[in-house]
Amino acid sequence: KAGVTQTPRYLIKTRGQQVTLSCSPISGHRSVSWYQQTPGQGLQFLFEYFSETQRNKGNFPGRFSGRQFSNSRSEMNVSTLELGDSALYLCASSFDLNTEAFFGQGTRLTVV
Amino acid sequence: TQLLEQSPQFLSIQEGENLTVYCNSSSVFSSLQWYRQEPGEGPVLLVTVVTGGEVKKLKRLTFQFGDARKDSSLHITAAQPGDTGLYLCAGDGGDTGNQFYFGTGTSLTVIP
Repeated sequence: KAGVTQTPRYLIKTRGQQVTLSCSPISGHRSVSWYQQTPGQGLQFLFEYFSETQRNKGNFPGRFSGRQFSNSRSEMNVSTLELGDSALYLCASSFDLNTEAFFGQGTRLTVV
Repeated sequence: TQLLEQSPQFLSIQEGENLTVYCNSSSVFSSLQWYRQEPGEGPVLLVTVVTGGEVKKLKRLTFQFGDARKDSSLHITAAQPGDTGLYLCAGDGGDTGNQFYFGTGTSLTVIP
């Protein structure tokens, strides 16, 4: 069974640009969550999607957005990039509510 | 905000030693998960505990969930260099979605 796949693995962007990250969950999983990980803040919850609907949202500015498609694949978008957005962005998939979360390898975003 | 604090933050031990990592909160969690993360990779799920007082063993790793479901511990017996990594606890608050609250992390280094 394939795991959670995130693309791309590495990304370098310039301040002010926008970026789209992709996540394919484990087959059959309907919930996809996104997290930002930085050395100073640790793992912080961005948002969660279930059956194409955003169910929960963390405390991040509106520049961070996401969506989920009918096949459960999800994308997150960050607009007007800032240096502080440099982080490892992790996607986690779960089968349903309150079930275990399995993480992808992450996308390392560097904003210069 | 359901804050999970882990201690110690850093741990460096010799191969063969035992260690315990603690995860504490003032909030009650319906379940708690432990992950291990290696640099540049996503967290890998080690175990999920759901019942207060539950103890789970995974080879040399022993996980315990507090009776009140507010805290947990991870004990490693005879640590090996392969145990090196960042250990994270994550609590499921039982919200309407799959938002996990992550601990601050314990960085373990096992010296051969």
